[in-house]
Amino acid sequence: DAGVIQSPRHEVTEMGQEVTLRCKPISGHDYLFWYRQTMMRGLELLIYFNNNVPIDDSGMPEDRFSAKMPNASFSTLKIQPSEPRDSAVYFCASSPNYNEQFFGPGTRLTVL
Amino acid sequence: GDSVTQMEGPVTLSEEAFLTINCTYTATGYPSLFWYVQYPGEGLQLLLKATKADDKGSNKGFEATYRKETTSFHLEKGSVQVSDSAVYFCALINNNDMRFGAGTRLTVKP
Repeated sequence: DAGVIQSPRHEVTEMGQEVTLRCKPISGHDYLFWYRQTMMRGLELLIYFNNNVPIDDSGMPEDRFSAKMPNASFSTLKIQPSEPRDSAVYFCASSPNYNEQFFGPGTRLTVL
Repeated sequence: GDSVTQMEGPVTLSEEAFLTINCTYTATGYPSLFWYVQYPGEGLQLLLKATKADDKGSNKGFEATYRKETTSFHLEKGSVQVSDSAVYFCALINNNDMRFGAGTRLTVKP
């Protein structure tokens, strides 16, 4: 298996623009997680899905953030409109059982 | 709520030195404990885990023992290499709630 795949790897955009981050989990994994990593706040869980259903979105910072998982092999994290404080590395992870999580390489987002 | 506290970094060691990175936790019940490693430019990778008290997780020369009496899960390695330079995260899972520590950056110099 290729592991968790994220795209794009880098994204530079201007404030106010819509940003969509994509994730393909490992086949057969029932859980999918979105994290944000910054120097100031460390690693934060934004939302996670189980069998394509959002279970806990309490970490989503505000209404500008939304996440979807239309099927078992694809998820998106959307920021609209983006702001400079959203600049971070966003990780997607998947797991067969919640316990052991497999992380993707991350998307480095820069909002100017 | 549950939480994980790691020793602050950065930690700088010479090659072949002994490594300890302290991790303590606060949780109700019996959490599972993990160490993840993040190499530059990559996502986190599971390094080792322990699911019950007195369990020892080990991998790639790293070890950590689940100590319920001291609520600790310290990471150790007897002889570090330059290739061990990375950020190390302690984490726990309790009732499907995962918490990460802040991470400890380790730099190993030749």
